[in-house]
Amino acid sequence: GESVGLHLPTLSVQEGDNSIINCAYSNSASDYFIWYKQESGKGPQFIIDIRSNMDKRQGQRVTVLLNKTVKHLSLQIAATQPGDSAVYFCAENRDDKIIFGKGTRLHILP
Amino acid sequence: DSGVTQTPKHLITATGQRVTLRCSPRSGDLSVYWYQQSLDQGLQFLIQYYNGEERAKGNILERFSAQQFPDLHSELNLSSLELGDSALYFCASSFYRLAGVDTQYFGPGTRLTVL
Repeated sequence: GESVGLHLPTLSVQEGDNSIINCAYSNSASDYFIWYKQESGKGPQFIIDIRSNMDKRQGQRVTVLLNKTVKHLSLQIAATQPGDSAVYFCAENRDDKIIFGKGTRLHILP
Repeated sequence: DSGVTQTPKHLITATGQRVTLRCSPRSGDLSVYWYQQSLDQGLQFLIQYYNGEERAKGNILERFSAQQFPDLHSELNLSSLELGDSALYFCASSFYRLAGVDTQYFGPGTRLTVL
């Protein structure tokens, strides 16, 4: 079922290529950032997180980069696969609440 | 499977009615969070309970209330329902009291349709 907004930015990537999804945050006091993946009809699924004392963190096929100077967060997915097709949300810990961004839809081209 | 369960999966009701959504957190988790996901608002934090007590509030309407029981399951009560309350409602859980300490794991959600 439909679970995300109508006006999401969409990133289309060729299968096998790397994907980079970007996110800007506004609160320089935010100290914890998370990326979630949401497939159609499902709840958000944790991918990777990073604390503000780091600028890079790697997981399996995913890397999160944090640039505190410009308040920018990115998620890199290596060798994108059809199963990566989903909406990706960045979230930040702001005032002890997790605040979600609007999301980016990742579309995989065959 | 995150380990968080929510019931029911779907709920269809009429304006003015009251419904209750149920969430069971992952085994061992003490915090439960409720979120609303609508088409025009994205994922919005509603409320958090920790070990039976309300800990943080977000954009929760006065018509909505929640509680967490001694067995740590939680219920979200929505009353005087309006068309605009139609949305997906997610529950998430974590172990710690503070939101930014550990990861929140989400349930599959309850889709509420108000006719």
